[in-house]
Amino acid sequence: DPKIIQKPKYLVAVTGSEKILICEQYLGHNAMYWYRQSAKKPLEFMFSYSYQKLMDNQTASSRFQPQSSKKNHLDLQITALKPDDSATYFCASSQDRQRLFFGHGTKLSVL
Amino acid sequence: QQKVQQSPESLIVPEGGMASLNCTFSDRNSQYFWWYRQHSGEGPKALMSIFSNGDKKEGRFTAHLNKASLHVSLHIKDSQPSDSALYFCAGGVGAKLTFGGGTRLTVRP
Repeated sequence: DPKIIQKPKYLVAVTGSEKILICEQYLGHNAMYWYRQSAKKPLEFMFSYSYQKLMDNQTASSRFQPQSSKKNHLDLQITALKPDDSATYFCASSQDRQRLFFGHGTKLSVL
Repeated sequence: QQKVQQSPESLIVPEGGMASLNCTFSDRNSQYFWWYRQHSGEGPKALMSIFSNGDKKEGRFTAHLNKASLHVSLHIKDSQPSDSALYFCAGGVGAKLTFGGGTRLTVRP
């Protein structure tokens, strides 16, 4: 019974398009994160949110925009997609910055 | 920005053998350190944390932290084929956890 749900599991997009990656956590945690995993950078921090507020942003590009409509949701909108954006995107959550719990990831391929 | 050097990149050990993984962190403000394990097709899962100097043992896994050198290590005793996975060390300052590049461990039956 997964406690962190990421949708979709696989996503194929064309260059220049826009996609939204969905994440919901049912662990009651107060912090949520996005990480990216690719062959070039095995596990790279992107954003952290606490109580729906942005805490840290390590993503240089404004094409990546997190969206938090509820405290247990943290979606990731990616615009003007490029082939270099191809990666597996992991959502994670934690309570009070302790152990991170990761979802199963969304594997994005940009053609 | 935190830099993490993890070694080796890959490691093959026989079943029942000892696996040793190492990491060195750059940020002296790092407060806490973790080891995560990722099996193929899954997200990383936390194995154990270590916050104080010295050793911490949990079953077959022993983590070691030297705060002076910002070096952490993980030793897996009596390695099993099910231990075959990608292992990451991680160190944190505030809300952000920075991960090492990973060690791919293969345990040969």
